[in-house]
Amino acid sequence: EVQLVQSGAEVKKPGESLRISCQCSGYSFTSYWINWVRQMPGKGPELMGRIDPSESYSHYSPAFEGHVTFSADKSINTAYLQWSSLKASDIGIYYCARNSQAYGSGRDSFDYWGQGTLVIVSS
Amino acid sequence: EIVMTQSPATLSVSPGERATLSCRASQSVRSYLAWYQQKPGQAPRLLIYGASTRATGIPARFSGSGSGTEFTLTISSLQSEDFAVYFCHQYNNWHTFGQGTKLEIK
Repeated sequence: EVQLVQSGAEVKKPGESLRISCQCSGYSFTSYWINWVRQMPGKGPELMGRIDPSESYSHYSPAFEGHVTFSADKSINTAYLQWSSLKASDIGIYYCARNSQAYGSGRDSFDYWGQGTLVIVSS
Repeated sequence: EIVMTQSPATLSVSPGERATLSCRASQSVRSYLAWYQQKPGQAPRLLIYGASTRATGIPARFSGSGSGTEFTLTISSLQSEDFAVYFCHQYNNWHTFGQGTKLEIK
C-alpha cells in the first residue's frame, strides 16, 4: 500500500528555521517525483515545486524559489521541505504528493498525498 | 500563469440527484486536467486525470469531460459521502489549481 506520512504540526516564530518531512512507503521512492503543495485556509492548493528523489534535482515555483529548499534521503525514503527563515505569511497546510506516473513527467497529476502538515508562524 | 476558474463556488444538490461542476482555464490546457475531492481535515483525493480518466478505485458515478479551456465533472447520483470540496488542476503548463466548488446537501 502506497503511503506518504508527514511530520506533525509546527508552531514557530518569524525568523526561525523549520524542516518538515514526508516518509514514503509501498513503492519505489526513487521512481516518482515528490511535489510540495501549500494550501492556505479556504483557498485552492498551490504547487511550490517538486523533487526527483533519485538525483535530488528540484524545480521550484518562482513564488517560492529562494525561500524554501527541497531535499530527499533515499536511504530512508523521505522527502523534506525546509525554511531557513520563516515569515508570518508562511502559515498554511503543506502537503507532499506523488506524481501519478513513474520516471518523471512535468505533465502529471498527483495520485497519493500525505495527510498534510499545519505550519503556524506567529510572534 | 494559467488561471483556473471554477463555478459555482457552492452547489446545493439533494442526495440521489446529479451534480455538474465546471472549470475554465484562461488558456488551453489540452487534456491535462485533473479533478480532486477534498473533505475537511483530509488531503485531496485524485478522482479524474487526463480530463476524463477515472483514477484507481473511483466509482463510475464520477465522470469528467472537456478539453482545451472548458471542463466538467459530473457526479451522476450523489451519495452522502460525495459532499465535499472539489478542485480542478491543470498540469499542461506548470501546475495551477482552481479555488474549488463546495458541494453541499440541499
